[in-house]
Amino acid sequence: DAKTTQPPSMDCAEGRAANLPCNHSTISGNEYVYWYRQIHSQGPQYIIHGLKNNETNEMASLIITEDRKSSTLILPHATLRDTAVYYCIVRAPNFGNEKLTFGTGTRLTIIP
Amino acid sequence: NAGVTQTPKFRVLKTGQSMTLLCAQDMNHEYMYWYRQDPGMGLRLIHYSVGEGTTAKGEVPDGYNVSRLKKQNFLLGLESAAPSQTSVYFCASFEASWPYEQYFGPGTRLTVT
Repeated sequence: DAKTTQPPSMDCAEGRAANLPCNHSTISGNEYVYWYRQIHSQGPQYIIHGLKNNETNEMASLIITEDRKSSTLILPHATLRDTAVYYCIVRAPNFGNEKLTFGTGTRLTIIP
Repeated sequence: NAGVTQTPKFRVLKTGQSMTLLCAQDMNHEYMYWYRQDPGMGLRLIHYSVGEGTTAKGEVPDGYNVSRLKKQNFLLGLESAAPSQTSVYFCASFEASWPYEQYFGPGTRLTVT
């Protein structure tokens, strides 16, 4: 899996958009960007994934730069329940010895 | 549809004791994984299974054994617990088809004294 770099922590006001950056400068052409989050003491939760096009689902939007060396996860209207550690992961869709390599992530705190 | 469940939620063991953690999923997933998470660290893969009757080692398998006798269950055993095995254990399951989204259980918090 390619290495990713995320800021250790961020704050965001409730109701505002939370923008979480991730650098993955060594990403390979067939590797996807995944985002998971982990709310305190719970198991990680899948949020979204993408290859090179921007993606949106009911939870978030994912913006990937044209050179694919970085991406941003956007939570459009952050709520207190979005306080969690967010993990950016890159991996290829070739299946076999599949595992998720979680780094230390970004601890997002939503401020009331 | 309960998703992925783990039993027990909490456990305290003394050094040298044994125990088994149970992971169950009702999504008919082929793949099941056991991870551990230590304070300030990401998840590390202990063992995994790609189908009923199969198991394989992850990156930190020492001191653990696993079994997958039924497709829906994945057991993690500690034969002789050590303080270094104090951790939060997460089980995950997923289908072997794109996008390989992993579904995690709520975790088991284990303390070995």
